[in-house]
Amino acid sequence: NAGVMQNPRHLVRRRGQEARLRCSPMKGHSHVYWYRQLPEEGLKFMVYLQKENIIDESGMPKERFSAEFPKEGPSILRIQQVVRGDSAAYFCASSPMGDAIIEQYFGPGTRLTVT
Amino acid sequence: AQSVTQLDSQVPVFEEAPVELRCNYSSSVSVYLFWYVQYPNQGLQLLLKYLSGSTLVKGINGFEAEFNKSQTSFHLRKPSVHISDTAEYFCAVSPYGGSQGNLIFGKGTKLSVKP
Repeated sequence: NAGVMQNPRHLVRRRGQEARLRCSPMKGHSHVYWYRQLPEEGLKFMVYLQKENIIDESGMPKERFSAEFPKEGPSILRIQQVVRGDSAAYFCASSPMGDAIIEQYFGPGTRLTVT
Repeated sequence: AQSVTQLDSQVPVFEEAPVELRCNYSSSVSVYLFWYVQYPNQGLQLLLKYLSGSTLVKGINGFEAEFNKSQTSFHLRKPSVHISDTAEYFCAVSPYGGSQGNLIFGKGTKLSVKP
C-alpha cells in the first residue's frame, strides 16, 4: 500500500510564475490536508479538502492560493504569481476520515524555491 | 484558539543517554496531543498520540510521553537514544471533538545524537 505521494519533490519558480503542487492520498483516503513549513517554523495548516469539496480553508492566504481535490486524480495546490515569501516546504497529509482522532499520514513534501 | 510551544529548538545528546523534549500547549478547550518525527527530506511520521485514558503513552521506537493536564504539558522521553533518532520532532494538538482534524504544530525540536 503506497503512502502519500507528492510531486514534484523540488520545484523552482521565478517570481511571477505559477506553481502547481500535486498530492495523491493513500488508497482509501478521501480527506486531504495541506500544510506549509517555512524555514525554522513548524507546519501551518492551510486547507482541508474532501473529494470535490473544500471543508476548511481558514489557513489559506486570501490571494493567489487555491486548492482542489477533484473526483478523479490528485489534489492540487496552486500558487499564482509566486513571490519569494512563498518559498517553503509544502506537505500534504491524508486520512480516511476527517476526525481529530484519526491519524494523518504525511507525504514527503514539495520544496518550493522562488528565485 | 490553540497554540503549542516547544521550549528547545535544538537538543544535543550523546548516544545511549536519556532525552526529554518539552512541549507545552495552550487551549481553551480539551485537545488531543501528538508527537511527530521528521527525518531529513522526509514527511512527518506519527510517534504517539494521547486521546484519553492513561496519561502515559507509549509510541514507536521506544518513545513515550506523559500528558500533564495541570501543567498543560506533553513531554516526550526516551531512556536511551540511538544515532538513528537524530531528527526533528514536532508536538501538535487538535481540538477535542473537532470534526475538521487540522493539527496545530509547535516549531519543532532538532534532536542531534552524537556518538
